[in-house]
Parts: sequence; C-alpha cells; structure tokens
Amino acid sequence: KQEVTQIPAALSVPEGENLVLNCSFTDSAIYNLQWFRQDPGKGLTSLLLIQSSQREQTSGRLNASLDKSSGRSTLYIAASQPGDSATYLCAVWGNTDKLIFGTGTRLQVFP
Amino acid sequence: EAEVAQSPRYKITEKSQAVAFWCDPISGHATLYWYRQILGQGPELLVQFQDESVVDDSQLPKDRFSAERLKGVDSTLKIQPAELGDSAMYLCASSFGTSRTGELFFGEGSRLTVL
Repeated sequence: KQEVTQIPAALSVPEGENLVLNCSFTDSAIYNLQWFRQDPGKGLTSLLLIQSSQREQTSGRLNASLDKSSGRSTLYIAASQPGDSATYLCAVWGNTDKLIFGTGTRLQVFP
Repeated sequence: EAEVAQSPRYKITEKSQAVAFWCDPISGHATLYWYRQILGQGPELLVQFQDESVVDDSQLPKDRFSAERLKGVDSTLKIQPAELGDSAMYLCASSFGTSRTGELFFGEGSRLTVL
C-alpha cells in the first residue's frame, strides 16, 4: 500500500530564506508526482507536476525534484516571502490508480 | 482562467439531514474526482468519474453517500443522512487526460459542518 510522508509537518522561517520541503513515498512504481499549495479553508492549487520520466520541474521560485528509485521528492522555494505561507501537499499517482496525498507541511514565512 | 466551480462554499446542517454538493469541472475535462479532506489531513478520494461513468467508488460510503454525473459534465455528491463524522472539506477536481498523465485542478471546496 502506497504511503506518502511529508517532513517537516510545520516550518517557520524568516522572509528571504531558501527552504526545502520533503516528500517520501513507499512504492517507487509511480506515474507522476504533483505538488499543491493550500491556503487555510481553501482548495488546492497545483504548483508542479513531475512525470515519472522527469527528474525535475521549475516554476518561478519553485523547483521540484523527483528521485523515483529512492522514493523521494523535494520542493525548493527560493527567497521565501510572507505570501508563500500555506500548507504544501505532495501527491503521487501509482499502480492503485489513485492520487495518494501526504499530510502536508504547514509553512509560515514571517517578515 | 478556467476554474473548477463548487457550491455551496459552506454548509451547516444537523445530524440526519440530507446535504448535496455541486461541482462544475473545467470545460473539456473528462475526468472528475470528489475528495474528502478532514482537518489536518491530506485529501482522500471518494469517487472518480470518466465522463458519466464511475471509475472508482471503492472508498465511498455507499449506505449514505451517492454521486452522479449524468451528462458527463457537472456532478452532484449527496449525503443522506449526514453524521457528525462527515464534517470535512469536500473537494472536487478535474483533469483533461487520464489520471496517470493529467494534472489535477481543484475547486475551492465545500466545507461541511454537521451539528
């Protein structure tokens, strides 16, 4: 059974720091991995989608990497801003044909 | 920019009452999903449609939950009767291609509180 874990569960950093959010999954046979952002009480906003054949994807200050063999993905946020404060969720699509989510990392960036 | 539309945004109901949520996916998206998210947890799939057909409803509590997508466009998720444990965010998502390659886009969600 696929399990997705995100570490840390919560993170508080000063504005301007570069930071890394981690996502690990137990079954490396995945089709893709997606990173989402969720603001309190809101839906999910797709940030990056990495297909299984890709190693990384970039969008603005965000860079996501994927290492299937080790069951890991990282989301790198450069020059963090208070507006980046949110919960970040990773999700993997594997052989069960379901998108399995982690429990998220709650990020707070203070001025 | 195209969005997944959901309504209502908030719903408060009493135990044993019926409640319904509506979702309109992004135009042209054949695949539609309903997820439930309990506070502090990741979303869990309730039901997946491909056009008007149910692809996966293995996690849907069928004794009280039902979902339909009659014309393969918008969809309704119903709960009857609602129980206290149903309090959660109900999220609708859609994707253009198959789930294995398509990016999922979520709506703003419907927050249900059962008293």
